[in-house]
Amino acid sequence: DAGVTQSPTHLIKTRGQQVTLRCSPKSGHDTVSWYQQALGQGPQFIFQYYEEEERQRGNFPDRFSGHQFPNYSSELNVNALLLGDSALYLCASSLDRGFTDTQYFGPGTRLTVL
Amino acid sequence: AQSVSQHNHHVILSEAASLELGCNYSYGGTVNLFWYVQYPGQHLQLLLKYFSGDPLVKGIKGFEAEFIKSKFSFNLRKPSVQWSDTAEYFCAVNVMDSNYQLIWGAGTKLIIKP
Repeated sequence: DAGVTQSPTHLIKTRGQQVTLRCSPKSGHDTVSWYQQALGQGPQFIFQYYEEEERQRGNFPDRFSGHQFPNYSSELNVNALLLGDSALYLCASSLDRGFTDTQYFGPGTRLTVL
Repeated sequence: AQSVSQHNHHVILSEAASLELGCNYSYGGTVNLFWYVQYPGQHLQLLLKYFSGDPLVKGIKGFEAEFIKSKFSFNLRKPSVQWSDTAEYFCAVNVMDSNYQLIWGAGTKLIIKP
């Protein structure tokens, strides 16, 4: 059983560009959450998708948007990249709309903005 | 704004020593509490969680945590650590209000000397 997968593994972009990160949840999971983890810090919750809709959102600007597909996979889009967007982006899947169920994390995508 | 504090960023112990990692949060309402662990080269995974009931919860690999509501704390403990416990440990709090999200501490890097 494949766990949570994310692509790409690493990405380098320049300021002002746009980026799309992808996540495939663990088999059977219908809820996907995205996190940003800057170096030396804990993850910060970006948003959570369930039934193809954004259900919860953290304190991130509208430049961060997402999508969930009928097969529960998800994308995270970041527009107008800033240097401060450089971070590890983590995807987690679960069976619960919320956080009560165990979240399973992927390996992350390392984004570097130059 | 709600926050989660982990008191020690780095902890070094010898094998068989006892471990206690501190976690405090700033929110007076209902919370769910989690400890996650990231072993070297692996994904974040759930160590244990508290929702309600007995404030002393047991997790995997001999870890336990105690929720002390009056102190807004959820400290992680293990009576005798092993070299394989070397990892980064994160405390996370699910704030159960209208804008509930998962708030993470900055993490504690634990190194166990063999």
